[in-house]
Amino acid sequence: DTGVSQDPRHKITKRGQNVTFRCDPISEHNRLYWYRQTLGQGPEFLTYFQNEAQLEKSRLLSDRFSAERPKGSFSTLEIQRTEQGDSAMYLCASSLLPGTGGHGDSYEQYFGPGTRLTVT
Amino acid sequence: AQSVTQLDSQVPVFEEAPVELRCNYSSSVSVYLFWYVQYPNQGLQLLLKYLSGSTLVKGINGFEAEFNKSQTSFHLRKPSVHISDTAEYFCAVALTGGGNKLTFGTGTQLKVEL
Repeated sequence: DTGVSQDPRHKITKRGQNVTFRCDPISEHNRLYWYRQTLGQGPEFLTYFQNEAQLEKSRLLSDRFSAERPKGSFSTLEIQRTEQGDSAMYLCASSLLPGTGGHGDSYEQYFGPGTRLTVT
Repeated sequence: AQSVTQLDSQVPVFEEAPVELRCNYSSSVSVYLFWYVQYPNQGLQLLLKYLSGSTLVKGINGFEAEFNKSQTSFHLRKPSVHISDTAEYFCAVALTGGGNKLTFGTGTQLKVEL
């Protein structure tokens, strides 16, 4: 178990370009969450998956944001036509589905180190 | 909708002194409560949580918190801090039965000085 990993750790892009971030959760975790954290703020929930199903996406910031978890393992977050306001840290977390047992407590979310996006 | 307020953006404290980081929440339904810590260049790590039962919960690194339903508070305390406790601390809530989506406060920077 190597924890939650995110790639890349840093991304600098020009306004208008598309970017994609990857998150690899802890292997037996059913749930995967995406959050965004801007400077001086706490993380803000964006979307989450239970296995491959995206159970909530209404909090994605605009239709330029989309996320997938095609096989119920890793997930990607894509931002199309980036804007300077998209500059932030994007965090991924995973957890167990309550009642499934396995590694860790089902109410604890394990966070990755984040991907820092800078849009110039 | 639920919300979390951390009124203290920064808390300076001398090493070995006690500290309390304040957290108040607002929700019309029952919630789970969490404290996370974020060290520089590291991911968020769970310190402790309240789900139900005893209102005093103990976490890692000597931290504890007390859930007070009437005051809608979940303050974090440590009787004696160390330099290594310097970090950002976030209080968070999740609606019970709501997919465990976390709503975070704005964080409190704890700075421990010699």
